[in-house]
Amino acid sequence: DAGVTQSPTHLIKTRGQHVTLRCSPISGHKSVSWYQQVLGQGPQFIFQYYEKEERGRGNFPDRFSARQFPNYSSELNVNALLLGDSALYLCASSLGTGGIQYFGAGTRLSVL
Amino acid sequence: DAKTTQPNSMESNEEEPVHLPCNHSTISGTDYIHWYRQLPSQGPEYVIHGLTSNVNNRMASLAIAEDRKSSTLILHRATLRDAAVYYCILSRVNQGGKLIFGQGTELSVKP
Repeated sequence: DAGVTQSPTHLIKTRGQHVTLRCSPISGHKSVSWYQQVLGQGPQFIFQYYEKEERGRGNFPDRFSARQFPNYSSELNVNALLLGDSALYLCASSLGTGGIQYFGAGTRLSVL
Repeated sequence: DAKTTQPNSMESNEEEPVHLPCNHSTISGTDYIHWYRQLPSQGPEYVIHGLTSNVNNRMASLAIAEDRKSSTLILHRATLRDAAVYYCILSRVNQGGKLIFGQGTELSVKP
């Protein structure tokens, strides 16, 4: 069975640009969460979506947005990129809003 | 959000048991204790979770103190593949189960 897949695996952008990261959850999972992991730190919660509705939001600026599609896949969008947005962006899926979360390998974003 | 405290790093010898401690003195009655680990260049991986009673699965055991203010993740026989950062996380049911990661414990395993 396929796990959580994220694309792209690596991405290089310049300051001020926009980026879209994609996530496909495990088949049957209806919840997707996004996390940002800066080098040397633990992941920080950004968003959780369940049944296409936002169910939780972390302490991130409005430049960060996300959505979930009818097939439960998800996109994370970041506008007006800053150098500090350079990080590993992780997507996790789960059956519902609680319970075990299964993580993808992440998208490594570098902002120059 | 309830916080957890873990040692920054621990060392273990291969094939010996490892006890990874976690303090969570501000835990509330609805908080589940979760453990995840993150191997180098990978996303976090679920290890085990519990509420009040000790739990066992194929990967590890979770021992929860009677007052629930601390817990210990037990790897019965460490292998080189267990070298990772281990995160102890409190997950509150009414917050949708979002995971609040701390710094974790970096476990190194010596052959």
